[in-house]
Amino acid sequence: DAGVTQSPTHLIKTRGQQVTLRCSPKSGHDTVSWYQQALGQGPQFIFQYYEEEERQRGNFPDRFSGHQFPNYSSELNVNALLLGDSALYLCASSPRRGGYSNYGYTFGSGTRLTVV
Amino acid sequence: GQQVMQIPQYQHVQEGEDFTTYCNSSTTLSNIQWYKQRPGGHPVFLIQLVKSGEVKKQKRLTFQFGEAKKNSSLHITATQTTDVGTYFCAGSNTGNQFYFGTGTSLTVIP
Repeated sequence: DAGVTQSPTHLIKTRGQQVTLRCSPKSGHDTVSWYQQALGQGPQFIFQYYEEEERQRGNFPDRFSGHQFPNYSSELNVNALLLGDSALYLCASSPRRGGYSNYGYTFGSGTRLTVV
Repeated sequence: GQQVMQIPQYQHVQEGEDFTTYCNSSTTLSNIQWYKQRPGGHPVFLIQLVKSGEVKKQKRLTFQFGEAKKNSSLHITATQTTDVGTYFCAGSNTGNQFYFGTGTSLTVIP
């Protein structure tokens, strides 16, 4: 049973560029959440997707956007990259029962983004 | 927004000693989860607590949810070197998205 798969594993971008990160959830999971984890910090909630719609959003600017596809996979897009966007971006999936998630997240290994 | 704080930030213990990390929320939570992240790794789900005053055990780990559902703790008895990592609590007041705490980094000295 495959876990959560994220690509790419590492990425170096120049300030001002745009980036797309990808995530395939664990088999049987339909909800995808994205987190940003700066070095030495806890994961910060970006947003959550379910049924191809953004359901919840954390305190992140509109430069951060996402998408969920019919097969439950998801993309995170970041426009106009800033140096401060350098972080580990984690995708987490979970099953959703009746709109309430009562299960722990399964995290992917993350994408390490470096903005120079 | 929701704030979840953890103390201590760092803890060094001798192997065999006990360890406790505390999690405090600025708002009442519907449920709380605990995760462990090894150095260079990703968070791994440990447990979820839902009921006020709930206590759950996993071998040497004991998890507790406060009566007011605003705080939680994780206690490890007789630490081992395999317990090394950062422990995060993650709280939710909707049951859908979880806000992670600041984490407690545990070092176990052999």
